[in-house]
Amino acid sequence: DIQMTQSPSSLSASVGDRVTITCRASQNMNSYLNWYQKKAGKAPKLLIYGASSLQSGVPSRFSGSRSGTDFTLTISSLQPEDFATYYCQQSYSAPHSFGQGTKLEIK
Amino acid sequence: QVHLQQWDPGLLKPSETLSLTCAVNGGSFSSYYWSWIRQPPGKRLEWIGEINEGGSTNYNPSLKSRVTMSVDRSKKQVSLRLSSVTAADAGVYYCARGVNTGYVGSFFDYWGQGALVAVSS
Repeated sequence: DIQMTQSPSSLSASVGDRVTITCRASQNMNSYLNWYQKKAGKAPKLLIYGASSLQSGVPSRFSGSRSGTDFTLTISSLQPEDFATYYCQQSYSAPHSFGQGTKLEIK
Repeated sequence: QVHLQQWDPGLLKPSETLSLTCAVNGGSFSSYYWSWIRQPPGKRLEWIGEINEGGSTNYNPSLKSRVTMSVDRSKKQVSLRLSSVTAADAGVYYCARGVNTGYVGSFFDYWGQGALVAVSS
């Protein structure tokens, strides 16, 4: 099974900050990596698929990139509605595993 | 607009079987895999498995011995059964639509609202 490790586990930032969250895969998985935003009591929301493709309707301040087995989610300028938990998920092989999550909190 | 509707199953006792249903409203039912994903309190999301319109399934090996998924094409519903539940099976269970891009894997674009599963004697 592919293990997904996110860092950091939590992060404090201010509105307007640029934030980067990293997800590392335990093996090569090409660009089969998705990012989701989850708020308490709500279902996850797809942000990025295929490592760098922006899902329709998602603001352009969200972006994703890949370097080998390391994947990055960047929020260019934090907005109040962006404070949530972010999860990466691999779809390279079953079982489709998720990272442990990164909780983004207001500083 | 696609909407996935779920229902809470009520309180379960250890060793009972969890049964969940997800109704797909709007959009096509075919050409997608329908996944079940759960999140125990304070833990990461866990993929349970998937089923397509034709009934072809793919289960997480860690749960395979206890999981059964089924599909009712006429009602556009997918169902999950998880047998012999324990406290470790408590959490929120989601159904989600899986889209296969064909070149960068698949992703879950629509999710149900979640069903809260509690297990207690």
